[in-house]
Amino acid sequence: GESVGLHLPTLSVQEGDNSIINCAYSNSASDYFIWYKQESGKGPQFIIDIRSNMDKRQGQRVTVLLNKTVKHLSLQIAATQPGDSAVYFCAENTIGNTPLVFGKGTRLSVIA
Amino acid sequence: EPEVTQTPSHQVTQMGQEVILRCVPISNHLYFYWYRQILGQKVEFLVSFYNNEISEKSEIFDDQFSVERPDGSNFTLKIRSTKLEDSAMYFCASYPETNTGELFFGEGSRLTVL
Repeated sequence: GESVGLHLPTLSVQEGDNSIINCAYSNSASDYFIWYKQESGKGPQFIIDIRSNMDKRQGQRVTVLLNKTVKHLSLQIAATQPGDSAVYFCAENTIGNTPLVFGKGTRLSVIA
Repeated sequence: EPEVTQTPSHQVTQMGQEVILRCVPISNHLYFYWYRQILGQKVEFLVSFYNNEISEKSEIFDDQFSVERPDGSNFTLKIRSTKLEDSAMYFCASYPETNTGELFFGEGSRLTVL
């Protein structure tokens, strides 16, 4: 079946460097994408979202890029901080339809 | 900031016992969900609930599971006869008026089945 997945299960970066977390999706009907951050023992926390009519969206220190041609989504974190250490999930659905389907997750470790 | 609250934070139970996990969604939200996360794995959809009925459920949500919104505020997940493989974090989530956009998650209830 179609699914959302991630290229890298773990990512280690130096504090202050930029981080890039990637996600591949295979459902061509998906038109809404969202990144969640999950700290240990906590629930998923919204970071940023993007609709399929956009290819880039920026938030505070985060940018999401969407490449519909290759069905690829990425999350860029600028000037990574120790507090960014967490597992990051991409998720997708089709607007108006549920449920939100989560990818496998990438663990980001920030080295001080 | 309004939040989804879940109780208990951790429950330990014996195999075969019934468990009820409770959630209080954000007050003006209309769409409610339960998700499950086995340790170290991804977040998996269990069931969605809208207008006092199940709108969608996954293969995981078999006859041992049920959901209820008994009093207009609480949203519960019941597991009738727990199995070892039910051990997981269970997350409640809700949407406001439309079922798209940011899905708001609670902090989760950890279920340990012995």
